[in-house]
Amino acid sequence: DIQLTQSPSSLSASVGDRVTITCRASQDIRSGLGWFQQKPGKAPKRLIYDASRLQSGVPSRFSGSASGTEFTLTITSLQPEDFATYYCLQYSNSPFTFGPGTKVDIK
Amino acid sequence: QVQLVQSGAEVKKPGASVKVSCKTSGYTFTDYYLHWARQAPGQGLEWMAWINPNSSATNYAQKFQGRVTVTRDTSISTSYMEISSLRFDDTAVYYCASLAPSGPGVWGQGTLVTVSS
Repeated sequence: DIQLTQSPSSLSASVGDRVTITCRASQDIRSGLGWFQQKPGKAPKRLIYDASRLQSGVPSRFSGSASGTEFTLTITSLQPEDFATYYCLQYSNSPFTFGPGTKVDIK
Repeated sequence: QVQLVQSGAEVKKPGASVKVSCKTSGYTFTDYYLHWARQAPGQGLEWMAWINPNSSATNYAQKFQGRVTVTRDTSISTSYMEISSLRFDDTAVYYCASLAPSGPGVWGQGTLVTVSS
C-alpha cells in the first residue's frame, strides 16, 4: 500500500500568513493526489485534485504543486475561515490512502 | 446541485451489523465511482472501499475485506455500506464521497455509528 506522510502535523499561523503543507508519498503516484479541508464536525471539502487543479468554487489563494513524490498545498494569504485540518489523499493506486492530516490553528 | 445524503445515526451492540445508505442526486449516478471512508473520534480519515455504480464492482481496503460490503441500487441512485461483526473500535463517522478527480468531489454529511454494550 502507498503510505502518505504530512508535515507539519500542526502549525499556528496568523491571518494574512503564507502557509505551506507538504505531503510525501512512499512511491510514485504521478499526479494522483488531492487535498481536502475539514472543519470540526463537518465533512471534508475537496480543494485540489490531480495535484494542482483547483476545485470549482475554491478561492484562488489555495494552490497545489508537485515535485516527484512530494506534494505541496499553499495558502497564499490565510483567512479566518481557513483554520481547519488539511488532508492529502492519493488515488493513483488502490487502496486509496489519506495522509494523517495537518491542523492549522490561530497563533 | 450535487448532493450525497446519508442515513441517520445508529447505535449498535458489539457483534451486530449496521447498514448505512448514501442517496445521490444532481448527477448521473453511474458516471462516477462512489467511495466510503470513516473517521474515528478525534482521528484522521481512513479510506474503506469504492464501488463502480455502473458494474457493481467493488474494491476494499484489506482491513475491511470480508467484514464490509458495499452495494448499490441504480433505480434510486443509492449506495449502501454494511459492516458486520461490529467492534467497539468501529465507532466512527462514516462518509460516502465522490472522489474521482473528474467527478463532483462531493461528500455526504456523515453518519455516526456508535458501538456500545
